[in-house]
Amino acid sequence: QTVVTQEPSFSVSPGGTVTLTCGLTSGSVSSNSYPSWYQLTPGQAPRPLIYMTNTRSSGVPDRFSGSIFGNKAALTITGAQADDECDYYCVLYMGNGNWVFGGGTKLTVL
Amino acid sequence: QVQLQESGPGLVKPSDTLSLTCTVSGASVRSETYHWTWIRQPPGKTLEFIGYMSYTGSAGYNPSLKSRVALSVDTSKSQFSLKLTSVTAADTAVYYCARHYGDGHYFDYWGQGALVTVSS
Repeated sequence: QTVVTQEPSFSVSPGGTVTLTCGLTSGSVSSNSYPSWYQLTPGQAPRPLIYMTNTRSSGVPDRFSGSIFGNKAALTITGAQADDECDYYCVLYMGNGNWVFGGGTKLTVL
Repeated sequence: QVQLQESGPGLVKPSDTLSLTCTVSGASVRSETYHWTWIRQPPGKTLEFIGYMSYTGSAGYNPSLKSRVALSVDTSKSQFSLKLTSVTAADTAVYYCARHYGDGHYFDYWGQGALVTVSS
């Protein structure tokens, strides 16, 4: 069974840049996997950030960008702010109407 | 403003059926562009796609859950529903309803989530 991998945790300084990745235990991520990224903050509805690899969702600042980085999808946050501290999840399309989420990355801004 | 709101029992007994409903406002469920989705997050674990369905019945499922899942869309009430049979403690989770936007291939609106605990 293919698993979607993410770094369990990451730390970035305020104002710094961080790149989170989303990979597969078997194979490469491509645009055909339609990678998308979400912010999860306790008590709030998940917020979509990026879809179709690199398209920002409505209202998302251009500090957030998406790409394919090597054989993985990537989410880059530039100019990190304190309220960027939360959990980030990617999801990939596996075909046959099935989607699989990554394990999530807990981002700390300090 | 599109809004989704989950509702249903917060406590379900083992071996029973978990039933949740999501009420949609600010958007029509009668569009083939959207698939109405259920996603869950067990405590301390990652998000898990359960399945989705359009109003025409076009659907997709997590293969590991498919045999226990029933999805439906009620256009008259602007609602969609999840039934998960034969639940165990492993089904304890926050259950989210969401809208999958087909043209963008992503989940563009989500509910706040509803905690369902499976316990006797």
